[in-house]
Formats: sequence, C-alpha cells, structure tokens
Amino acid sequence: NAGVTQTPKFRVLKTGQSMTLLCAQDMNHEYMYWYRQDPGMGLRLIHYSVGEGTTAKGEVPDGYNVSRLKKQNFLLGLESAAPSQTSVYFCASSYSREGQYFGPGTRLLVL
Amino acid sequence: AQSVTQPDIHITVSEGASLELRCNYSYGATPYLFWYVQSPGQGLQLLLKYFSGDTLVQGIKGFEAEFKRSQSSFNLRKPSVHWSDAAEYFCAVALNYQLIWGAGTKLIIKP
Repeated sequence: NAGVTQTPKFRVLKTGQSMTLLCAQDMNHEYMYWYRQDPGMGLRLIHYSVGEGTTAKGEVPDGYNVSRLKKQNFLLGLESAAPSQTSVYFCASSYSREGQYFGPGTRLLVL
Repeated sequence: AQSVTQPDIHITVSEGASLELRCNYSYGATPYLFWYVQSPGQGLQLLLKYFSGDTLVQGIKGFEAEFKRSQSSFNLRKPSVHWSDAAEYFCAVALNYQLIWGAGTKLIIKP
C-alpha cells in the first residue's frame, strides 16, 4: 500500500496563478484533510471531508477550495494564488478517530 | 474550548540521555490523545495513541506516553535517545473527527 500520496512535491507559482494539489489514499478511509504548516504556526486545518461528495471548512479556508468526487481523492485548489499561501501543504486521511495518516507534503512558493 | 499545550518549543538532550516531552490538554470528556513525529522535510508519523484502558501506552521507535487524567497531561518519554530522534514532536487530541494540535516541540540531540 502506498498510503497517502501527494502531487506535486514542489511548485512555484506567480501571484494570481491557479493550481490544484492532489491527494490520494489507498486505505479506503472515509475522512480526509488538508493542512498547511508554517514556521511557528503549527498545523492549521484548511478543509476536510467526512466522505465522498462532502467537504467542510476548517480553521483557515479562505482562498482555497476543495473537492472529493471520489473516495480515494481529495483535491485542494487555489484559484488565485497569493504570497501568503506560500507554505507546506499536508494531506491526511483517517478511518475513524483512531489517528490520521499523513502524506509527504507539497511545498508551494508563491512569488 | 478544547486546546493542547506543549510548553517547550525546543528541548536539547544529549545522545543516550532520557527524554520527556510535555503535553497538556483541555477537553471535557475522555480524550483520544496522540503523539506524532515529523523529521525534517518529512510528513507526520503517528508515534502512539491513547483511547482508554492502560494509561501507559507503548509506541514505535521505543517511545511511550502516560495519560494522567488528574493533571490533564499526556507526556511522551524515551529512556535513551538516539541522534535519529532529532525531529519535531506534536501532541494532539481528537475532537470528533478532527485533531486539535499542539504547537510542537523541536528535539535537538547533542552528540
């Protein structure tokens, strides 16, 4: 099993450009999450999903959109990137409350 | 509101010495508690978790943690650290299907 994978690993964008980050999990988990991690800020939840076709806002949802069309995939979109969105993005999935499993992260630099 | 506090931002320990990382939580009910480790440039890995039962839980890589309800604590311990344990450690408590995260403690190992 690959676990949780994220694509791409690294990306540079110019302000105003758009992009989509892909998260895939092969553990048949119901729950999926997108976090951002910034120095000194810890992990902050952007959006999450409790099942296929459902999404919900987390702590810092502004500027991001998500979709969960298939159970194994959770997409994070940036419609118009801003320098404040420079960060490391982590996807995670879980079956229940028994812990989340993380992907390796995507480093995004917005110039 | 539920919260997790890791009072130490950095801890420096000599290789071979014992380690204790502190975690305090604020949660009304019996908590689901977790410790994660993040090596530099990597995603987060689940070290151990506590749901109920024995208050001393064993995890991977030789770590253990003790749940103390009276102190609202879930401290992480290791009897003898190795240079490879240098990483950032995060404590978390489950709130429904989300995790409330501590800010992390960075562990530095002195040779």
